[in-house]
Amino acid sequence: GQQLNQSPQSMFIQEGEDVSMNCTSSSIFNTWLWYKQEPGEGPVLLIALYKAGELTSNGRLTAQFGITRKDSFLNISASIPSDVGIYFCAGQQETSGSRLTFGEGTQLTVNP
Amino acid sequence: DSGVTQTPKHLITATGQRVTLRCSPRSGDLSVYWYQQSLDQGLQFLIQYYNGEERAKGNILERFSAQQFPDLHSELNLSSLELGDSALYFCASSVADRGNYGYTFGSGTRLTVV
Repeated sequence: GQQLNQSPQSMFIQEGEDVSMNCTSSSIFNTWLWYKQEPGEGPVLLIALYKAGELTSNGRLTAQFGITRKDSFLNISASIPSDVGIYFCAGQQETSGSRLTFGEGTQLTVNP
Repeated sequence: DSGVTQTPKHLITATGQRVTLRCSPRSGDLSVYWYQQSLDQGLQFLIQYYNGEERAKGNILERFSAQQFPDLHSELNLSSLELGDSALYFCASSVADRGNYGYTFGSGTRLTVV
């Protein structure tokens, strides 16, 4: 079953606001990934994190790999309507090869 | 277009039936992964193949099976279907069977069992 706890489950924000979501686990992960899924599509990779403490940006998105290796967060700055979708965190463990464990997702709604 | 092709996009079938979902990985990718996404379970890993061989198994039911062919496309077979099997089934691919670069997902097959 799921090992990643993602929060919040949903967010309703106004255009221009910043957004923050996070993912925690009781287990250590050696890679953290953030995906976005839009209706009718598969998840698309946004950011990949490979080292504890790493902070990586992709445009208005910034993600960090927690120092304990048990958590990660994603920030979206100055949100726009096309940011709408479900954001998933995913982790990869040393013992699981390339298999990913996914969080339950954060549904983001941006009001213009 | 992600480069990972899944067919069909939608499938409606009756309980007890058997269906086959097909996936063509991105050019150059040797690994194929199957995930099930249902409303109450999120994305659940089912099975992984690398260059024709099974590499990892997740929460895949005995009624489900998969294979990867020499041309690297993969098929997921679901049999004795139950209402609870209704879900989105995603295929993803990656270059290697190890490594941490993330996957590329297809657009999924929406299975509805009635």
